[in-house]
Amino acid sequence: DQQVKQNSPSLSVQEGRISILNCDYTNSMFDYFLWYKKYPAEGPTFLISISSIKDKNEDGRFTVFLNKSAKHLSLHIVPSQPGDSAVYFCAASGVGRGSTLGRLYFGRGTQLTVWP
Amino acid sequence: DGGITQSPKYLFRKEGQNVTLSCEQNLNHDAMYWYRQDPGQGLRLIYYSQIVNDFQKGDIAEGYSVSREKKESFPLTVTSAQKNPTAFYLCASSSPGGMVYGYTFGSGTRLTVV
Repeated sequence: DQQVKQNSPSLSVQEGRISILNCDYTNSMFDYFLWYKKYPAEGPTFLISISSIKDKNEDGRFTVFLNKSAKHLSLHIVPSQPGDSAVYFCAASGVGRGSTLGRLYFGRGTQLTVWP
Repeated sequence: DGGITQSPKYLFRKEGQNVTLSCEQNLNHDAMYWYRQDPGQGLRLIYYSQIVNDFQKGDIAEGYSVSREKKESFPLTVTSAQKNPTAFYLCASSSPGGMVYGYTFGSGTRLTVV
């Protein structure tokens, strides 16, 4: 059973507009959330993270919002650029719980396409 | 430069053969992980190791084996028991409590069974 869900397999956005990628989770013990970006035939690269004690974290064009009560997070990219076209993975972790310490649970990913 | 090296980048295997994928890191990370990526499936955990000489099964460990004799190395063997081994394999590592930046991933190995 997937504990981290990305329900939209794909998203298409025009260059310059906002991209919003969504992620839901089921485990209320998760306390750290991350977004990764992946190009074909490459490993994922870290993009941005947020701790459960915050509801927003911003880094340049990228902002992650966390709604703990809804068990939902979103990644906003503003403005979107063609180079942002990639698969975006949402991940969650529950630090400090024995054998699962540090383990990340990944969603299935959302393919973002930014067109000119 | 510190990082994770996976080799080879492309690997072809005949049915019935075992094959070993290499993963080496010089980040001094304690924990290492193997994931498999299939289209539409995201990243699925095969095995992970939090310290040398110790490892645990992930969600899809059947047909795979690992060893962790050195901190820097975490090779994955895909055995003939793995029914559908064609996939993109990713190795990752992390430091304890390193959830600010999560994992560092290698560039992956594409395994194709012919």
